[in-house]
Amino acid sequence: EPEVTQTPSHQVTQMGQEVILRCVPISNHLYFYWYRQILGQKVEFLVSFYNNEISEKSEIFDDQFSVERPDGSNFTLKIRSTKLEDSAMYFCASGEPGGSILAQGQYFGPGTRLTVT
Amino acid sequence: QKEVEQDPGPLSVPEGAIVSLNCTYSNSAFQYFMWYRQYSRKGPELLMYTYSSGNKEDGRFTAQVDKSSKYISLFIRDSQPSDSATYLCAISSHSSASKIIFGSGTRLSIRP
Repeated sequence: EPEVTQTPSHQVTQMGQEVILRCVPISNHLYFYWYRQILGQKVEFLVSFYNNEISEKSEIFDDQFSVERPDGSNFTLKIRSTKLEDSAMYFCASGEPGGSILAQGQYFGPGTRLTVT
Repeated sequence: QKEVEQDPGPLSVPEGAIVSLNCTYSNSAFQYFMWYRQYSRKGPELLMYTYSSGNKEDGRFTAQVDKSSKYISLFIRDSQPSDSATYLCAISSHSSASKIIFGSGTRLSIRP
């Protein structure tokens, strides 16, 4: 069964450093997302991406964040200058346009645990 | 008012019991309702997906949506220890092309 994959599984970085989190969405999906989950809190939407551009972003997704689909398979989230409060699990998700009712919904990767020290 | 409200639990039931998990939401514009299961330090796994009001059954799981009262439910029959996880209700305004808004999750434990 196809699945979303993410690398690395765990990233430790120092405050102020840049990090890039990588995702490979399900191959025929067209919608891509990043969410984050701070330990003990709910999963929060960060950004959605469709047709090579951001379609929606949350208040969390400020100028320090950017997303890119550099080739036909990868989808990345970059944090330019990490802060302590960026420590969280970051989940990538993908979805395809509505059609078969079995195919609807968003499918999540296993997450990257980001620790900022 | 929060967009999605969910009792965080924890909820502990004996193996074989019927489990009922519930959420309420505030915005009647949402049309798509989902339940995800999340094991500790793992990604959310899509369990059930429902459009508009009504019931949907998949094996031991039944999802129910009552749009008139803005109430979402998930029932688990013949619960197993492997069902122990956090269950997240979620809403969206589009099937897969819109952000998902999650509840805080209910931690469920099935006692053998």
